[in-house]
Amino acid sequence: AAGVIQSPRHLIKEKRETATLKCYPIPRHDTVYWYQQGPGQDPQFLISFYEKMQSDKGSIPDRFSAQQFSDYHSELNMSSLELGDSALYFCASSPDVGANIQYFGAGTRLSVL
Amino acid sequence: GIQVEQSPPDLILQEGANSTLRCNFSDSVNNLQWFHQNPWGQLINLFYIPSGTKQNGRLSATTVATERYSLLYISSSQTTDSGVYFCAVDYSSASKIIFGSGTRLSIRP
Repeated sequence: AAGVIQSPRHLIKEKRETATLKCYPIPRHDTVYWYQQGPGQDPQFLISFYEKMQSDKGSIPDRFSAQQFSDYHSELNMSSLELGDSALYFCASSPDVGANIQYFGAGTRLSVL
Repeated sequence: GIQVEQSPPDLILQEGANSTLRCNFSDSVNNLQWFHQNPWGQLINLFYIPSGTKQNGRLSATTVATERYSLLYISSSQTTDSGVYFCAVDYSSASKIIFGSGTRLSIRP
């Protein structure tokens, strides 16, 4: 069965650079979520989209932005990267906001040097 | 906001042992999921279990929603069971899920 696809799997950037993470949800899933997991931490919710509109927002820095496109894929854009942005970034998708069973991608490991 | 607490934080067992992981939550929830994060960082769905009991092979889970806790049982542990086990809850009309701090399970051969 198709799963959530994230790219790239690994990304190395330097401070003050920008990064773009991509997420392709499971087919026919219309809701996408982004989470950030720091070293030794649990995943923290950043932002979600339902039918291409932002549906919820968590502790996402102003330097980050995201959107969901017409084909339901989503991109997380991160600017002015800081050392503290080094983390594992997960995308999840669900087929229905009400049921909210979230399926996670393999994550993008971002290292900021 | 809702508090999600998991215990124990760490668990070291010999291969073949059984274990019980607990998740307590401070408010009513719409749903609850158990995940296994393997040593490569992947989050694997184990159970979607807002209430009741489910079983999948050597794993089973029970959620008692009225008492606000869930249990994950692992029987006949294998080294591949090692990793961090998270419970996560959806407690409001908001779509985000809130993770507990996890239980780190290490299975020794």
